[in-house]
Amino acid sequence: DTEVTQTPKHLVMGMTNKKSLKCEQHMGHRAMYWYKQKAKKPPELMFVYSYEKLSINESVPSRFSPECPNSSLLNLHLHALQPEDSALYLCASSQEAGAVFWPQHFGDGTRLSIL
Amino acid sequence: EDKVVQSPLSLVVHEGDTVTLNCSYEVTNFRSLLWYKQEKKAPTFLFMLTSSGIEKKSGRLSSILDKKELFSILNITATQTGDSAVYLCAANYGGSQGNLIFGKGTKLSVKP
Repeated sequence: DTEVTQTPKHLVMGMTNKKSLKCEQHMGHRAMYWYKQKAKKPPELMFVYSYEKLSINESVPSRFSPECPNSSLLNLHLHALQPEDSALYLCASSQEAGAVFWPQHFGDGTRLSIL
Repeated sequence: EDKVVQSPLSLVVHEGDTVTLNCSYEVTNFRSLLWYKQEKKAPTFLFMLTSSGIEKKSGRLSSILDKKELFSILNITATQTGDSAVYLCAANYGGSQGNLIFGKGTKLSVKP
């Protein structure tokens, strides 16, 4: 088990559904990240939150909407997704964003399937 | 264009063998290089390297960074079947944010 907790572990949704992925950490980290990982590919950065503010959006379509309600929680709201959005969505956190000495720690991910 | 290249992409060895995984990088504003092990789920953090020539060790795993030649290696001695995984190398780079750019990974299979 990791110290970054993601729920749900699996999610199947239709293209018209609205759902949310949740991520929680209690390590006091001030930076949190969303990554998308397709099968047999490395993780690709989607969003970075630093001190609860969105600092990086890597040209992600607006059907993905991140939210950071507080320093321990990170959500990813999903709406009108496409079949190609099916992937493993990983959340990570680090002590801070950008500082050299803080590695990112990953959750187990949510495996998302779009029908 | 920033990139991280790992080799080999896949490797099959027998238990007890020693393996060396390679990672080269070309990134602007390089800060550090990280190694992760990914089995079925979360990438698990192994090492973070910031200084050249200083070996980091954890049990049978060790890693070193060469900032002049822009590469890192991950060594695993006396491999076990539990070492079977994808090993990801990532470079931390850029401005003030903790960006990571990942290599494609090396898939290691250790046979009994």
